[in-house]
Amino acid sequence: GDSVTQMEGPVTLSEEAFLTINCTYTATGYPSLFWYVQYPGEGLQLLLKATKADDKGSNKGFEATYRKETTSFHLEKGSVQVSDSAVYFCALSDRDDYKLSFGAGTTVTVRA
Amino acid sequence: GAGVSQSPSNKVTEKGKDVELRCDPISGHTALYWYRQSLGQGLEFLIYFQGNSAPDKSGLPSDRFSAERTGGSVSTLTIQRTQQEDSAVYLCASSLRQGGRYEQYFGPGTRLTVT
Repeated sequence: GDSVTQMEGPVTLSEEAFLTINCTYTATGYPSLFWYVQYPGEGLQLLLKATKADDKGSNKGFEATYRKETTSFHLEKGSVQVSDSAVYFCALSDRDDYKLSFGAGTTVTVRA
Repeated sequence: GAGVSQSPSNKVTEKGKDVELRCDPISGHTALYWYRQSLGQGLEFLIYFQGNSAPDKSGLPSDRFSAERTGGSVSTLTIQRTQQEDSAVYLCASSLRQGGRYEQYFGPGTRLTVT
């Protein structure tokens, strides 16, 4: 079945550092790929998405490119802020599917 | 507009008791999903509804778990004879339609603690 593997955390960075969280997937169909973020004490929010190969999703300075050849959807941000401290989840949903399959989540802490 | 709402936000119950968790999806969203977030298992899909029908219940952990949706809107997840391993955050989400191209909007969750 479909599955997502993302890098284990926790990740601790200083402000203005570069952030990368690796995510790879296994899917039989043509999945849509997502990054969700969960800030402390808050619910899960969609950060960005890509629905087909070579699409780039971007939001709040974060970017991820759907790479079918490497089955990857790595999340990047060039200069993180303290407010980016959160848990990040990579997820996929097959085009005709109805459920999201999530990675284990990566906890990111940004220090001032 | 209003997002997905869930109630209660926190629930503490004794082992063996039944609990009901409620989800109010975004108005007009035909698809509704339940997930569970726990320390050991991460985020797991439980069940989804298309309208009032639940085509796939295979994610429900045991027959103590059931869910229904009425009027194509509110959904209730019921856990009977709760066990300590049921302790988790139960998340509800809704989307305009079924399918990966439609964004799922999540509620704040209900934190269930079974003592």
